[in-house]
Amino acid sequence: GENVEQHPSTLSVQEGDSAVIKCTYSDSASNYFPWYKQELGKGPQLIIDIRSNVGEKKDQRIAVTLNKTAKHFSLHITETQPEDSAVYFCAASYTNAGGTSYGKLTFGQGTILTVHP
Amino acid sequence: EAGVTQSPTHLIKTRGQQVTLRCSPISGHTSVYWYQQALGLGLQFLLWYDEGEERNRGNFPPRFSGRQFPNYSSELNVNALELEDSALYLCASSLGFGELFFGSGTQLSVL
Repeated sequence: GENVEQHPSTLSVQEGDSAVIKCTYSDSASNYFPWYKQELGKGPQLIIDIRSNVGEKKDQRIAVTLNKTAKHFSLHITETQPEDSAVYFCAASYTNAGGTSYGKLTFGQGTILTVHP
Repeated sequence: EAGVTQSPTHLIKTRGQQVTLRCSPISGHTSVYWYQQALGLGLQFLLWYDEGEERNRGNFPPRFSGRQFPNYSSELNVNALELEDSALYLCASSLGFGELFFGSGTQLSVL
């Protein structure tokens, strides 16, 4: 089955710096790669996702890049703010042509991001 | 509009007992997913229900089971609780594709 490795496990940055979190996946059939942010006491919330037909996607301060050949994808957060502090999870799954995922998102182990004011 | 709601928020049980967790999806969502988040670990896929049927199952023993009701709400049942079942159980819903919307979870402690 799919296996997703995520690094680093913890990341500490100063406000305004950039943060990069990297993930690798094992199953070349995976074609959907979401990133989730989990704040204390809350469930994970989708912040950005990318499909395998796209190499990069950006949404304001957040961007995700995908390298299908190397089977890795990364989350980039620029101009970090204290409210970006949270646990971030990458995930991978296969979706069929109709876009239906089989429910089985495989998650990385998470990265605890701390942004110091 | 209400998000995914789960109940109870916290639960304490002893080994060998049985527990039922409940989830109400976002209105209009037909798919419900259950994940286990143990301390220090990522989210592990448990079950996927769609239109009342179990569609996929993760690598968990049969004492983990559930069902989805006609109103698309769902229950997760865990029998013969073990200490390692202590975890945050997260429910998510979707339209069957794309983004999963998670609830805040049920924290289960097994003593």
